[in-house]
Amino acid sequence: QSVLTQPPSVSGAPGQRVTISCTGSSSNIGAGFDVHWYQQLPRTAPKLLIYGNSYRPSGVPDRFSGSKSGTSASLAITGLQAEDEADYYCQAYDNSLSAWVFGGGTKLTVL
Amino acid sequence: EVQLVESGGGLVQPGGSLRLSCAASGFTFSDHYMDWVRQAPGKGLEWVGRTRDKANSYTTEYAASVKGRFTISRDDSKNSLYLQMNSLKTEDTAVYYCARVNKYCSDGTCYYPFDIWGQGTMVTVSS
Repeated sequence: QSVLTQPPSVSGAPGQRVTISCTGSSSNIGAGFDVHWYQQLPRTAPKLLIYGNSYRPSGVPDRFSGSKSGTSASLAITGLQAEDEADYYCQAYDNSLSAWVFGGGTKLTVL
Repeated sequence: EVQLVESGGGLVQPGGSLRLSCAASGFTFSDHYMDWVRQAPGKGLEWVGRTRDKANSYTTEYAASVKGRFTISRDDSKNSLYLQMNSLKTEDTAVYYCARVNKYCSDGTCYYPFDIWGQGTMVTVSS
C-alpha cells in the first residue's frame, strides 16, 4: 500500500484528455511538500515529467500539466498520443516517514 | 552527454551481500545529491536512500525497509556512487536505479526532483 494513492489505470482515445490523481495526507502533500511526476515507458527508466507541482522541464511537451490542491495533486495529459502509453508516478517527501515516497503508479492505455 | 550507468547486479542468496555501482558522466558529479530507487518486478518505484554532497558532509538517509542493512557511499574523484547491500532478503529483489537530484528554480522557488536516472541493474535474491 503506497503512501501516495494513484488509480491503477486510466485510458483514453487519441486526442482526448486524461487526468491522473495522486492523493496524499497531512504528512506529505498536505504538509506543503512539492509533487513531482515521472513517466516510465515500457522497459525503460523513469523520466522526469513535472517538477514543483506544475513545471515542465525543458523538452516536455505542453500537453502535460500538473496541479496541486490540499492533500492531492493531478497530472493532466491533453491531445493523447500513442507514445504517451506508459506508467506515471507521483512523488513527494513524507515527514512522518522521513522519506521520499512514490505513488503506486498509474498505467495509461491509449485506446 | 549526461549519463548514469549502474552495474553490479546479479543473483545472490538470502543473507548474502552485493555492491552496486553507478558511474556518472557529463556533469559535475560532486555538486549533486544522489539517490537509489528500486522497482520490484511488476511493481512501483520505492526510494531506497540518499547521499548528500561534500558541502553537506556526505550525510545519508535510508528508507526504513533497508536501514541498517544497506549503505550508500560515493567517490567524487571517480564520479561514482555505490550501494552496499548486506543481509539481503527475497523482498530486496528489484531493478535498482541510481538517480541524480537536481535543483530547478521557477518563479522564485527551487525544487529538487530526480532528473537523471540510470538504466537500472537487476538484483535477484533467491536460493
